Amino acid sequence: AQKVTQAQTEISVVEKEDVTLDCVYETRDTTYYLFWYKQPPSGELVFLIRRNSFDEQNEISGRYSWNFQKSTSSFNFTITASQVVDSAVYFCALSEADSGNTPLVFGKGTRLSVIA
Amino acid sequence: KAGVTQTPRYLIKTRGQQVTLSCSPISGHRSVSWYQQTPGQGLQFLFEYFSETQRNKGNFPGRFSGRQFSNSRSEMNVSTLELGDSALYLCASSAEGWRDTQYFGPGTRLTVL
Repeated sequence: AQKVTQAQTEISVVEKEDVTLDCVYETRDTTYYLFWYKQPPSGELVFLIRRNSFDEQNEISGRYSWNFQKSTSSFNFTITASQVVDSAVYFCALSEADSGNTPLVFGKGTRLSVIA
Repeated sequence: KAGVTQTPRYLIKTRGQQVTLSCSPISGHRSVSWYQQTPGQGLQFLFEYFSETQRNKGNFPGRFSGRQFSNSRSEMNVSTLELGDSALYLCASSAEGWRDTQYFGPGTRLTVL
């Protein structure tokens, strides 16, 4: 069965620090998709990135970067030079392909607080 | 394109009542999924609809039901509300389903008294 673990429940950093959010997943499928979402206090889940299991290239988007390593089943998310606006709950999610139409499975989320 | 919209945004009900939540997906998206978010259980999948058919269902009691209309708009219904149904209910739409990115609406926060 698929599973996503975000071991860090809460992280607090001072503005301009770099911070890495960890995500470890479990799946028996060879084809799957990994996602990161951001949930600000307003409640809406905001899509950040989607990565398929055959693409292990790291991705950088502005201050955000993602490190996907199949060897360790991890898909970590780094925010460089954090800002107060980055304060939110961040969710990692997994969707399997080989098993058919399966829904997204989310981790428990990591609450990030960036202090000015 | 307009994003996913959900109505109402907030709802207060009492135990035993029923409630209907509405979700309008992004134009052109045919798959609509519903999730329940609570502090204790996190984000849990309720069901997914595609072309007016329920394609997938999570592990929730039969009090939770849904439907999808021909324009892809979806509703979910919870009957005989319980205190434990208090949650944020999130709707997500995607083009075809799990292969595609799911885009979420702002959610409906349901409080059961």
